[in-house]
Amino acid sequence: TQLLEQSPQFLSIQEGENLTVYCNSSSVFSSLQWYRQEPGEGPVLLVTVVTGGEVKKLKRLTFQFGDARKDSSLHITAAQPGDTGLYLCAGPSNAGNNRKLIWGLGTSLAVNP
Amino acid sequence: EAGVTQFPSHSVIEKGQTVTLRCDPISGHDNLYWYRRVMGKEIKFLLHFVKESKQDESGMPNNRFLAERTGGTYSTLKVQPAELEDSGVYFCASSQGQFYGYTFGSGTRLTVV
Repeated sequence: TQLLEQSPQFLSIQEGENLTVYCNSSSVFSSLQWYRQEPGEGPVLLVTVVTGGEVKKLKRLTFQFGDARKDSSLHITAAQPGDTGLYLCAGPSNAGNNRKLIWGLGTSLAVNP
Repeated sequence: EAGVTQFPSHSVIEKGQTVTLRCDPISGHDNLYWYRRVMGKEIKFLLHFVKESKQDESGMPNNRFLAERTGGTYSTLKVQPAELEDSGVYFCASSQGQFYGYTFGSGTRLTVV
């Protein structure tokens, strides 16, 4: 069974601090996606990483896919209150339908002004 | 373009009653997915339509759940009869045909009392 474990589960920091959240698995994923979800809304896709070792940047957010494609990290530089939300990682199932996503529980981030 | 629309946004029903959730995907998106998040658990796949055909319904919990997609446009998810454990947030997502680029709706929060 493919599982994605995210850590930490909760994170509360001050504006301007840096942070890293993690998404780990014992299984290999062909790709991993990161989403951000705000209360009352659905997840919004931030990025997809496909190649082992890949690094993608989205303004102050840096996403990395592990060399073995079993883990990924999201680093936020100089966090802003607008970064507050639930960060979710998800990857395609490797059993049958690869359009079926497996999800982590998420990291709930609060950035305090 | 309009996003994925789900309604109702909230529904509170009694155990044993029937509820129908509706999802209007982005126009032209052939792929439509239903996911569910139960409190404290990760988002779980329910099923996947390609146009009007069920591509994968391996995540449907049991035969109390029935999903349809009329003419390959909107989709409904009916729960009959509802049980307490059916409570959660039901998300719909659509994509144009490639794996990447899911767009999620805001979800329907279902509470069964």
